Amino acid sequence: KAGVTQTPRYLIKTRGQQVTLSCSPISGHRSVSWYQQTPGQGLQFLFEYFSETQRNKGNFPGRFSGRQFSNSRSEMNVSTLELGDSALYLCASSPSWRGKDIQYFGAGTRLSVL
Amino acid sequence: GESVGLHLPTLSVQEGDNSIINCAYSNSASDYFIWYKQESGKGPQFIIDIRSNMDKRQGQRVTVLLNKTVKHLSLQIAATQPGDSAVYFCAEKAAGNKLTFGGGTRVLVKP
Repeated sequence: KAGVTQTPRYLIKTRGQQVTLSCSPISGHRSVSWYQQTPGQGLQFLFEYFSETQRNKGNFPGRFSGRQFSNSRSEMNVSTLELGDSALYLCASSPSWRGKDIQYFGAGTRLSVL
Repeated sequence: GESVGLHLPTLSVQEGDNSIINCAYSNSASDYFIWYKQESGKGPQFIIDIRSNMDKRQGQRVTVLLNKTVKHLSLQIAATQPGDSAVYFCAEKAAGNKLTFGGGTRVLVKP
């Protein structure tokens, strides 16, 4: 069974631009969560989607948004990029929104904002 | 978990020795705990989990201990191998799928 797939693996953008990242969960998984990883702040929860609905949201500004499609694939969007948005963005999938399922992570998208 | 910022604590261990990685968690309401391993250029990889109604769980070469009284979690790796070199994160869940991660510990295995 294929794992969580994130595309693209690397992105370089400039300040003020916007970016869209994509995540394909493990087949059969319906919950997708997004995390931001930086050296300074570590791994921080962005949001979680299940059945095309946002179930939970972390403490990030409104410039960070996401959505989930009927096939469970998810995208996250960051608008008006800032230098501080440079990070590894990780997607994790699990079968359901129940908290006791194991979450499996993709390899991430490395975003560099210049 | 608590973030330790830019400078990850590092555990240097001789190949074949046992490793113990510690983690303090912050939320008394957390009822599910997970250890992840992250190698360079990869996403976190699940190692082992434990529910709050347990105090110990064993896997293959790994053991997780949970002390709810002092909100402490530890991961023990037996007979550490070069492939165990990575950053290890503890994570806690209180509700839903939101994971709150600790700052991480880097494990370096010396041959």
